[in-house]
Amino acid sequence: DAAVTQKPRYLIKMKGQEAEMKCIPEKGHTAVFWYQQKQSKELKFLIYFQNQQPLDQIDMVKERFSAVCPSSSLCSLGIRTCEAEDSALYLCSSSQSDRPEVFFGKGTRLTVV
Amino acid sequence: QQQVRQSPQSLTVWEGETAILNCSYEDSTFNYFPWYQQFPGEGPALLISIRSVSDKKEDGRFTIFFNKREKKLSLHITDSQPGDSATYFCAASPNNYAQGLTFGLGTRVSVFP
Repeated sequence: DAAVTQKPRYLIKMKGQEAEMKCIPEKGHTAVFWYQQKQSKELKFLIYFQNQQPLDQIDMVKERFSAVCPSSSLCSLGIRTCEAEDSALYLCSSSQSDRPEVFFGKGTRLTVV
Repeated sequence: QQQVRQSPQSLTVWEGETAILNCSYEDSTFNYFPWYQQFPGEGPALLISIRSVSDKKEDGRFTIFFNKREKKLSLHITDSQPGDSATYFCAASPNNYAQGLTFGLGTRVSVFP
């Protein structure tokens, strides 16, 4: 069972609405990653946090998303204005800072209508 | 440019057969190679991994064969079961830190009874 918890599992938004999804990393993990996955295909890296600080992110996230980790036990990913192309499974994963093993949550399935 | 390549994109085997999934990489600094298994609607789960100092890693019916010289590895699923039907992702990292993890595009495996 995934030790990384993501909520909600399903999210439906209309175009133009704001969306927010949350992630509780595995206890003791200091690295948090968000990925976007469409139709069970490639895992597209979005943003990486280390000790709650964003250290790497793609341009799309800078422009249209908001991502924070207000505590070591909670991170959130938001989309300011949803577009149809944002429909996807958003996966959060975490790892210990000194180990490469990454553990994923079950994801939040966002549908933009 | 895809740094981690997987083939085939999809694979169908009969129950009891061996499924062979291939993975190759470009970056010679990659030294940690995990495989993830993902069922529809779920997050990827770490299945088995290998480090570049080894040429083989076995865990039950799952075996990784690694060829450092050719920068290739493969995942063998012996005695395939219908429950093994999933998408399998090969990934690679150049260090002991998860932020360097690069994923392939996945191989969808279907096992028919």
